[in-house]
Amino acid sequence: DAKTTQPPSMDCAEGRAANLPCNHSTISGNEYVYWYRQIHSQGPQYIIHGLKNNETNEMASLIITEDRKSSTLILPHATLRDTAVYYCIVRESYTNAGKSTFGDGTTLTVKP
Amino acid sequence: NAGVTQTPKFRVLKTGQSMTLLCAQDMNHEYMYWYRQDPGMGLRLIHYSVGEGTTAKGEVPDGYNVSRLKKQNFLLGLESAAPSQTSVYFCASSPRLGRGVDEQFFGPGTRLTVL
Repeated sequence: DAKTTQPPSMDCAEGRAANLPCNHSTISGNEYVYWYRQIHSQGPQYIIHGLKNNETNEMASLIITEDRKSSTLILPHATLRDTAVYYCIVRESYTNAGKSTFGDGTTLTVKP
Repeated sequence: NAGVTQTPKFRVLKTGQSMTLLCAQDMNHEYMYWYRQDPGMGLRLIHYSVGEGTTAKGEVPDGYNVSRLKKQNFLLGLESAAPSQTSVYFCASSPRLGRGVDEQFFGPGTRLTVL
């Protein structure tokens, strides 16, 4: 599975868009990009995933570059409740369940 | 639905003691996982299961054993606890839906301290 690189921390002003980058330059054609977040010490929560196309759901948008070597998770209007650790994971979905390891992620702090 | 539940929530063990962590899910998911999370770090996969009666090793399986006798339950055992196993343990489950859908649902975690 491809390895991911994320900045260790980021700040964002409340109400502004939070853009969290992830580099996955060794991603293969069958691998998806998944994003999870972990608030305080709770279990991680799924946010969104994508293969090639940009994706949007009620929580966030996922922008994947054309060469698929990087992606950006966008929280359009960040709130204080979005303060969390955000994990970017690349793998071949459930067919490669044994490779499901979360890296250190990005700690996003939303400030008033 | 309760989702994914873990028992116990907290536990303190002495070195060499054994214990079993229980994970239960009521969503009829095929896949189940056990992770550990050390302070300030991400989650590392210990063992996983792709169906009832099957288990496989993840990234850090040494010192742990697992069993999945029933589809809804996934047990993690520590035969002889060591201080290095002090961690927060998360269980997760996911359905097998295809098309890249692999949303893992996590339990609240078990905080284990080994003295």
